[in-house]
Amino acid sequence: KAGVTQTPRYLIKTRGQQVTLSCSPISGHRSVSWYQQTPGQGLQFLFEYFSETQRNKGNFPGRFSGRQFSNSRSEMNVSTLELGDSALYLCASSLGSAPVSYEQYFGPGTRLTVT
Amino acid sequence: AQSVAQPEDQVNVAEGNPLTVKCTYSVSGNPYLFWYVQYPNRGLQFLLKYITGDNLVKGSYGFEAEFNKSQTSFHLKKPSALVSDSALYFCAVRDMIYSSASKIIFGSGTRLSIRP
Repeated sequence: KAGVTQTPRYLIKTRGQQVTLSCSPISGHRSVSWYQQTPGQGLQFLFEYFSETQRNKGNFPGRFSGRQFSNSRSEMNVSTLELGDSALYLCASSLGSAPVSYEQYFGPGTRLTVT
Repeated sequence: AQSVAQPEDQVNVAEGNPLTVKCTYSVSGNPYLFWYVQYPNRGLQFLLKYITGDNLVKGSYGFEAEFNKSQTSFHLKKPSALVSDSALYFCAVRDMIYSSASKIIFGSGTRLSIRP
């Protein structure tokens, strides 16, 4: 079974631009979560989607948004990029969502560099 | 509010010795608890989870973890460390009580270094 795939793997953008990251979950998984990983802040939760609905959102500004499609694929968008948005963005999929908590399977991440 | 703490940034162990990576948590209800491992330039890999039942949970690569409700801890252990176990380890917790505030929270990570 194919794992979680994320595209692109690496991205360089300029301040003020916007970016869209894509995530394809494991076949059959209906829940997709997004995380931002930085050396200083660690792993921070961005959002969780289940069956095209956002179930939870982390403490990030409105510049960060996401969506999930009917085939469970998900995208996240960051508008008006700032230098501090440089990070590894990880997508994780799981069979379901709360109240039952399944383990998550992570993709390799998208390394975003903002200059 | 949920929280999880990994008090050690780094743990150093000689190959063949037992290892422990510590994790403590705080939730309002009963917890779901997880351990993940991250190798360089890779995403996280699931190691094991505690949902309910036996307090000793066995997972991948010979790792196990012990759930201690009174101490609100979920320490990761392995009887005999391998050099290949060197990686970044994350503990995660989710409150069983579903609410809009319920999400999976990750600890800050502990870097495990196994010397030959």
